[in-house]
Amino acid sequence: QVQLQESGPGLVKPSQTLSLTCTVSGGSISSGSYYWGWIRQPAGKGLEWIGRIYTSGSTNYNPSLKSRVTISVDTSKNQFSLKLSSVTAADTAVYYCARENCSGGGCNPFDSWGQGTLVTVSS
Amino acid sequence: QSVLTQPPSASGTPGQRVTISCSGSSSNIGSNYVYWYQQLPATAPKLLIYRNNQRPSGVPDRFSGSKSGTSASLAISGLRSEDEADYYCAAWDDSLWVFGGGTKLTVL
Repeated sequence: QVQLQESGPGLVKPSQTLSLTCTVSGGSISSGSYYWGWIRQPAGKGLEWIGRIYTSGSTNYNPSLKSRVTISVDTSKNQFSLKLSSVTAADTAVYYCARENCSGGGCNPFDSWGQGTLVTVSS
Repeated sequence: QSVLTQPPSASGTPGQRVTISCSGSSSNIGSNYVYWYQQLPATAPKLLIYRNNQRPSGVPDRFSGSKSGTSASLAISGLRSEDEADYYCAAWDDSLWVFGGGTKLTVL
C-alpha cells in the first residue's frame, strides 16, 4: 500500500518561493504508470489542482499557476517536489500530494493522498 | 468560482437516500469520466467513485455514481452518521483536472 507524506516550511514570506516535498513509501516512484501531483485547499474552500509529473519526468500544470510552478522528481530519494514562486496571501492553503493511477488504460486521479500540510504566507 | 457546479449543502436523515449533483460542460464532464471524493473533517480527500460509476475496493455499495451528458450525480443510500462529510466531483478538462466547489452533507 503506497503512502505519501508532505514536508516543508509551514510559513513563507510574501514574494518568496514555497517549497514542498512529497516522500513516497511502499513502492517505487519510478515504477508503474503513475502521475505524481499536487492539489491545494484554502481554509474552508474547495480543491484546486496545481500540477503533476509523470514517471518519465514530463509535467502538466494548471494554466492559472503555470508561470509560478515547478514540479520535479528525485527518483533516488523516492520523492517529488513542488516550488511555487512569488507567493502571496492567496497561496495560503493546505497542500496535498497525490497519486494519479494511469495503469489499465486511462488515468484515475488521486487514488492515494498525503495527509496534507498547511502553508501560511505571511510576513 | 469552480469549473464544476455542486450545491453547497445537502442533508438527510439516517437510512434515507440522498443525491449530490455535479454540473459541467462539454469540455469536462461531457467528454471525460467523472470522479467523486469524500473528505471527512480535518482529513485528506478519499476516492469514492472513479470512471463515473466504479467503486474502489472497500467503498460500500451504498455509494453509487452516474453520468448523463454534462452532468453527474453521486447517490448515497441507507445514509449513516459517518457519511457526514464534504463531497467533491472532479473531471479532466482539456489540460487540467477541475473540481466542483464541494457539497457539505449533513446527517440530521
